[in-house]
Amino acid sequence: GAVVSQHPSWVICKSGTSVKIECRSLDFQATTMFWYRQFPKQSLMLMATSNEGSKATYEQGVEKDKFLINHASLTLSTLTVTSAHPEDSSFYICSGGLAGDTDTQYFGPGTRLTVL
Amino acid sequence: AQSVTQLGSHVSVSEGALVLLRCNYSSSVPPYLFWYVQYPNQGLQLLLKYTSAATLVKGINGFEAEFKKSETSFHLTKPSAHMSDAAEYFCAVTPGNTGKLIFGQGTTLQVKP
Repeated sequence: GAVVSQHPSWVICKSGTSVKIECRSLDFQATTMFWYRQFPKQSLMLMATSNEGSKATYEQGVEKDKFLINHASLTLSTLTVTSAHPEDSSFYICSGGLAGDTDTQYFGPGTRLTVL
Repeated sequence: AQSVTQLGSHVSVSEGALVLLRCNYSSSVPPYLFWYVQYPNQGLQLLLKYTSAATLVKGINGFEAEFKKSETSFHLTKPSAHMSDAAEYFCAVTPGNTGKLIFGQGTTLQVKP
């Protein structure tokens, strides 16, 4: 149980375009979803926290207008990288937390974004 | 502020040998501590977690970790390494029950036959 999927698993786009990444909790309702970024051979850095039906809370240094997060339902959150540039190339990972068990997060497999 | 330091970015052990992955944390409030494992091209999987109950925590795949407040440590151990344990391991802390995970730099475990 507690499976999280991400789509697409990898994407290549041209500089200046926008890319949307979906994160779905398949067998549970995720009241809170988290978005992380992972550079090669480095750790995960929390980008933002989103609660269903409300605006996301971004970590310091993360541009909210560049990384648009929508958490429209208890099973779906999306991250849109707007006007992507090569420096946005990274591995983006989402996770979901269960209501009443926020100390455990279930992670998706990640999305590899390459911006040319 | 909370932080996590994993000592050793790369650990190599022989199959059957003891695995010891080190993690030290800094937290201004009682922490919740976690160990996650990441296999190539897969998402993070929870190995075990400490949430202020027993200080010795047993997880999946034979792993365990001990919370030592005096040493601000949460080292991960396994008595006998298997080839399948080769992966990236992350220690993480969340201050109290906030849900916000702060990860260490990660340790790559290599298991030699």
